[in-house]
Formats: sequence, structure tokens, C-alpha cells
Amino acid sequence: QKEVEQNSGPLSVPEGAIASLNCTYSDRGSQSFFWYRQYSGKSPELIMSIYSNGDKEDGRFTAQLNKASQYVSLLIRDSQPSDSATYLCAVNINTNAGKSTFGDGTTLTVKP
Amino acid sequence: EAGVAQSPRYKIIEKRQSVAFWCNPISGHATLYWYQQILGQGPKLLIQFQNNGVVDDSQLPKDRFSAERLKGVDSTLKIQPAKLEDSAVYLCASSLLQGGFAFFGQGTRLTVV
Repeated sequence: QKEVEQNSGPLSVPEGAIASLNCTYSDRGSQSFFWYRQYSGKSPELIMSIYSNGDKEDGRFTAQLNKASQYVSLLIRDSQPSDSATYLCAVNINTNAGKSTFGDGTTLTVKP
Repeated sequence: EAGVAQSPRYKIIEKRQSVAFWCNPISGHATLYWYQQILGQGPKLLIQFQNNGVVDDSQLPKDRFSAERLKGVDSTLKIQPAKLEDSAVYLCASSLLQGGFAFFGQGTRLTVV
């Protein structure tokens, strides 16, 4: 079992729809959770971080965390073609090193 | 605020040759990471520095890869000798806090032929 698992996709949604991206993790000691966006040929960039159970909203993005189910998700409302990218889930285990383990990403395509 | 700087952007070498990558993190960021990203996969941590000390190199193939961060600022990653399977994008990242989110450089795309 991978430490961080994401649906590989591709996920395709029409413009204006809600895109839902999911991530599960194996280590119950995980404390910090990040969503990065990576455009084709570019580097990852942070879009959301979440540390406690519940929802966290930032503009059109909402991150949801459920530590009991070891599940974190990202919702993108009013999806735009510019949201088309690969979304990477990263999980930090609560160790002194605090290193992030990444999933393999979900590729999202938003169709006009 | 200047971002994470990496060079070169692209490198093509033959197998068994050596190659080195350079990274300059964001000023003030004590934590520096080197990741390897193979096409279609997420970044895999190779080594993590806190200042000039190594805190995690568990996934670094130490028989061929080495990294250093002298003076706790910029860093170099070296591969010697390179193998075909080393073809990937090598990403350098830095963070202000250990365990915090990271800022990534543009990466170096390595092709081993």
C-alpha cells in the first residue's frame, strides 16, 4: 500500500462545475496536509494547507480533512479551464524531519 | 521575494557520465529539499537538509547520488555514474519551517541516453 494514494484520473469536468479530488494516507501520525497544483512542464505550487479536521475554504478552493478516515479532499468550485493541471496531495508525518510524502497526482481537465 | 533558483534547466548526458545540479533556496529558509520526479509520478524526496545538516536521506541512492549544503545556504546534488533510470526532473525546494509547505524551483530536466 502506498503511503499517499490519489485517483490517477484523468478527471474531466465542464467549466463552471465542481471538481472533487481525493487523497487517502496510511500513517495515522500524519499531521499536516497540503495540496499542490502542477501545470504541465512546471513545478508544483502550493494552493491549500490544512492541519485539523473539517473544512478550510480559500476562494474557490475548499480542503476537507477527516483524520479518523485518513482522508483529505480538495473541492474546486466554478471550475475554470485555467484549473486544468495535475493536483498533488502531500502529507507530513509528525516526525522531527517533517518530510512531505507526495501522491502521484490527479490530472484535472476543465472543458470550456 | 526571489524564488528558489536552480541550474541548469536541462541536461542531457550519456549513461555512466556524471552530472551536478545547483540550488539556491529562498533567503532565510533553513530547510532545503531535493526531490526526483519521474514522468507521471509525484515528487520523491531524495534528501532533506536543515541548515547544513542532513535530516533525511533514506531514499537517496548513496552508491551514486551525493548532496551537500555547505554553509547552510545553496546546495548541489551530484549523480555519478548516471543510469538510464535517473532520467527525471530534479526539483529543489525550500521551506521556512521544518515540516511546513515548500516553495519549489523550476527544476532540472535530466535525460540520460
